[in-house]
Amino acid sequence: GIQVEQSPPDLILQEGANSTLRCNFSDSVNNLQWFHQNPWGQLINLFYIPSGTKQNGRLSATTVATERYSLLYISSSQTTDSGVYFCAVEATNAGKSTFGDGTTLTVKP
Amino acid sequence: DTGVSQDPRHKITKRGQNVTFRCDPISEHNRLYWYRQTLGQGPEFLTYFQNEAQLEKSRLLSDRFSAERPKGSFSTLEIQRTEQGDSAMYLCASTRGDSYEQYFGPGTRLTVT
Repeated sequence: GIQVEQSPPDLILQEGANSTLRCNFSDSVNNLQWFHQNPWGQLINLFYIPSGTKQNGRLSATTVATERYSLLYISSSQTTDSGVYFCAVEATNAGKSTFGDGTTLTVKP
Repeated sequence: DTGVSQDPRHKITKRGQNVTFRCDPISEHNRLYWYRQTLGQGPEFLTYFQNEAQLEKSRLLSDRFSAERPKGSFSTLEIQRTEQGDSAMYLCASTRGDSYEQYFGPGTRLTVT
């Protein structure tokens, strides 16, 4: 099946810093989503981005499907950005999503 | 949209007991997915339905696990003869038929003692 690798596994930042999270995947995909998992376990949709670039406030994402990677950018980070960020991909005709192991972000005041 | 809901939010059970979880998808979402997440890992796919048809089951879904979506609306996931290794967060997600974007519920956290 498709492999999904996220890097870095852990990231510690000072408030106000910028960061880039990466997601590499091993096959062509129909779907790629970025999620933020809050401390209670809820997965919050950040971006649905099988290709191209999207922005939402301080967050933006870029997927280069031909090179099989996606990047999530967080600018001017805040303590509320802390948590685990997951990339999930659905391989072409797979009907299901495969998640990476996540990047744990800690933003210190 | 009221969002995906799951019930119960927490379940503590003794080893060997049966448990059943419920998921209500977003209205008119015809695909419904179940995932399991253990500490420090990403969610792992268990099974998915398109309307009432169960289209795929993971090898993770042993014979003790069964899922249903009888009328193409809510779904149930039952675990028989629970084992300590079943302790995890069970997540449900749904999508519209013309989109791959998944929306997740809050999860059911199962603890088997």
